[in-house]
Amino acid sequence: QKEVEQDPGPLSVPEGAIVSLNCTYSNSAFQYFMWYRQYSRKGPELLMYTYSSGNKEDGRFTAQVDKSSKYISLFIRDSQPSDSATYLCAFSSNDYKLSFGAGTTVTVRA
Amino acid sequence: DAGITQSPRHKVTETGTPVTLRCHQTENHRYMYWYRQDPGHGLRLIHYSYGVKDTDKGEVSDGYSVSRSKTEDFLLTLESATSSQTSVYFCAITGQLNQPQHFGDGTRLSIL
Repeated sequence: QKEVEQDPGPLSVPEGAIVSLNCTYSNSAFQYFMWYRQYSRKGPELLMYTYSSGNKEDGRFTAQVDKSSKYISLFIRDSQPSDSATYLCAFSSNDYKLSFGAGTTVTVRA
Repeated sequence: DAGITQSPRHKVTETGTPVTLRCHQTENHRYMYWYRQDPGHGLRLIHYSYGVKDTDKGEVSDGYSVSRSKTEDFLLTLESATSSQTSVYFCAITGQLNQPQHFGDGTRLSIL
């Protein structure tokens, strides 16, 4: 079983739709949960960072963590063409290492 | 944006040649990382550093070496490049282990 599983996608949605991205994990030691956005030919950019179960909102983005089910989600409301990118989930157990999902590519159609 | 500069941004070289990639940071962060990103594999850690002259191996370290002689610079060397090392290489930094890593914009390396 992989330590991190991310819905592979790709996803294609019309502008204004809600985008839902999901990752599951198996390592109970993970304490910190992140979402990165990566545009083509650029490095991953931190989008959301949280360390507790529940929801965290930042503008149109909501990160949801369910530690009991070992499941995290990212929701993008009122999606825009500029949201077209690859989204990576990442996990940390407060050591040197981040564990990444393989990424989900999202296309928002104008 | 985190002050991270990777150089070169693109490189094409031949099998068997040595290659050195540079990561330079202006944040004075303690931890620096080298990853490679390949389709179907996501980001995989090659080596990391937890201080000047303090480095350790990641999950895909074979064929790679690193050096960190100054806080701001972390070098990745392919002693004798192979075609399997064709990839996009990312440097990342963080000041503390419980904080997110921030990434540079990568080096696209092609080995023919």
